[in-house]
Amino acid sequence: SQQGEEDPQALSIQEGENATMNCSYKTSINNLQWYRQNSGRGLVHLILIRSNEREKHSGRLRVTLDTSKKSSSLLITASRAADTASYFCATMDTGRRALTFGSGTRLQVQP
Amino acid sequence: DAGVIQSPRHEVTEMGQEVTLRCKPISGHDYLFWYRQTMMRGLELLIYFNNNVPIDDSGMPEDRFSAKMPNASFSTLKIQPSEPRDSAVYFCASSTSGGATDTQYFGPGTRLTVL
Repeated sequence: SQQGEEDPQALSIQEGENATMNCSYKTSINNLQWYRQNSGRGLVHLILIRSNEREKHSGRLRVTLDTSKKSSSLLITASRAADTASYFCATMDTGRRALTFGSGTRLQVQP
Repeated sequence: DAGVIQSPRHEVTEMGQEVTLRCKPISGHDYLFWYRQTMMRGLELLIYFNNNVPIDDSGMPEDRFSAKMPNASFSTLKIQPSEPRDSAVYFCASSTSGGATDTQYFGPGTRLTVL
């Protein structure tokens, strides 16, 4: 079953703008991960944030985690057309190795 | 590194037939996961192994599904008999318990269509 919802379900922006996606979850987690999936392709790991971390950066990506609200956000700065994809958050529950995925956000970056 | 390898990439079969999906994890990884992706249910875990031993198969839909990992470099997911509602993309992923990372590396998936 899916962990929670991602918001928005779809997002369309212009190249150069920032994109923010939100994820909510329900359980106690060890870490939260973000993955990208291009249409018809596999999932590519983007970034992992542990439950004792609040913010993490990787290139143009910034992830925040608020365990008190059971929520996370992914910010993509200075978006490019190549960022067009679906983005999924996935949680790893405490004591478990498998991931529980959110419903995903479809991002469209217009050139 | 070749990454996670899955075969076949596409499979079209008729209802009632047996289907076998294959996965080769990244060398040295001791965890292997099978996930399924559908429009209706999204991405969901089917089963995962640690050191070739099944740890959690609570996501396996029913007895028609079975998974094996005879050695550290090979796993199969079998559906017998297949039904149209099994049509989905099946992903295999692997990870390592070593180091500080819990990152899972996904294969390209097998797109299964059951007619």
